Amino acid sequence: NAGVMQNPRHLVRRRGQEARLRCSPMKGHSHVYWYRQLPEEGLKFMVYLQKENIIDESGMPKERFSAEFPKEGPSILRIQQVVRGDSAAYFCASSPGQEGTEAFFGQGTRLTVV
Amino acid sequence: AQSVTQLGSHVSVSEGALVLLRCNYSSSVPPYLFWYVQYPNQGLQLLLKYTSAATLVKGINGFEAEFKKSETSFHLTKPSAHMSDAAEYFCAVRVGGYQKVTFGTGTKLQVIP
Repeated sequence: NAGVMQNPRHLVRRRGQEARLRCSPMKGHSHVYWYRQLPEEGLKFMVYLQKENIIDESGMPKERFSAEFPKEGPSILRIQQVVRGDSAAYFCASSPGQEGTEAFFGQGTRLTVV
Repeated sequence: AQSVTQLGSHVSVSEGALVLLRCNYSSSVPPYLFWYVQYPNQGLQLLLKYTSAATLVKGINGFEAEFKKSETSFHLTKPSAHMSDAAEYFCAVRVGGYQKVTFGTGTKLQVIP
């Protein structure tokens, strides 16, 4: 059973470009979470999705950021018109959703905006 | 709202010494608590979790944590530090059926030979 798969592992974008981060949850997991880790900081919750639904996006910046988890395919975190401050590690986690279960993390995508 | 506070962003211990990483939580309802470890340029790996079954929880790599409701704490301990324990450790909380996990700011553990 493969773990949570994130790709790409490293992504370099110029200011103003779009960044698209993909996350495939573990088999059987229908809940996906995205977190951002800035240098020397902890993990900040961004968004929680179930298939085709955004459950909680309270941690998402109001502009330029969006997330989806379609019925088929991976979850996508999209950052439009990237700026230097978007440079961070973005982690995806998935869980089966039952109460008390933990989330399993991917290896992360390290975004560098130049 | 749920939250966790990790005391000490950096902790140094000698190899073979006791490891104690502190975590206090805030929650209006009984929480689920987790400790994760992150090695450089890696994702997070679950060390252990508290789900109300037992207050003393044993995890991987010799780590354990004790849930103390009266102190709202969930400190992580290991009797004898190993060089391979050098990493960053995150305490996290989740409440009830709600799925969002809230993380502390992390504690970097340095093990001195």
